[in-house]
Amino acid sequence: EIVLTQSPGTLSLSPGERATLSCRASQSVSSDYLVWYQQKPGQAPRLLIYGASSRATGIPDRFSGSGSGTDFTLTISRLEPEDFAVYYCQQYGSSPRTFGQGTTLEIK
Amino acid sequence: QVQLVQSGAEVKKPGASVKVSCKASGYTFTSYYINWVRQAPGQGLEWMGIINPRDGNTDSTQKFQGRVSMTRDTSTSTLYMELSILRSEDTAVYYCAREGLGSGSLSIWGQGTLVTVSS
Repeated sequence: EIVLTQSPGTLSLSPGERATLSCRASQSVSSDYLVWYQQKPGQAPRLLIYGASSRATGIPDRFSGSGSGTDFTLTISRLEPEDFAVYYCQQYGSSPRTFGQGTTLEIK
Repeated sequence: QVQLVQSGAEVKKPGASVKVSCKASGYTFTSYYINWVRQAPGQGLEWMGIINPRDGNTDSTQKFQGRVSMTRDTSTSTLYMELSILRSEDTAVYYCAREGLGSGSLSIWGQGTLVTVSS
């Protein structure tokens, strides 16, 4: 099973700042099969990034993804108030599909 | 529009079973895989398994094998996830989620079903 470790666990930033979230895999993951989700309290997750770097439909361009192999990054260039949420990475290249434990992005 | 609508909240006793439904609409039911994901209170997302609505083939994580059954009814475009021998640790929100065409990314999610296991 591929274990995804996200860091930091909690990130405290202010609106307008840049956020960098990390997702590290225990084995190499094809970039095609690495995705990022955003989840707000009481809501289902929302797909942000697929294929490690492609934005899903309707996702603002302040969100970007990068990385390959075992190291992947989600960057939010300038935080908006609505961006404060929990972010999860997921791989679906091998079974079982696995999620990272999440990074909470909170307002400083 | 494309949507997945799940059944309502359930309260079950330990040892019982629960069956959660997920009704799909707005797209060709047999063309898109459906995943089941759960989230315990205050915890992260946990992938449970996947079903191909075209042929009913499934795959699930070993943790749930033997306890989980994923099925579909093509006549009503409805998916089902049944979890048996419930324990308190199974208390969670259960989501169905649809993949993109040819992609495993989960672009459409149901609203979630809270299953509470308590004596």
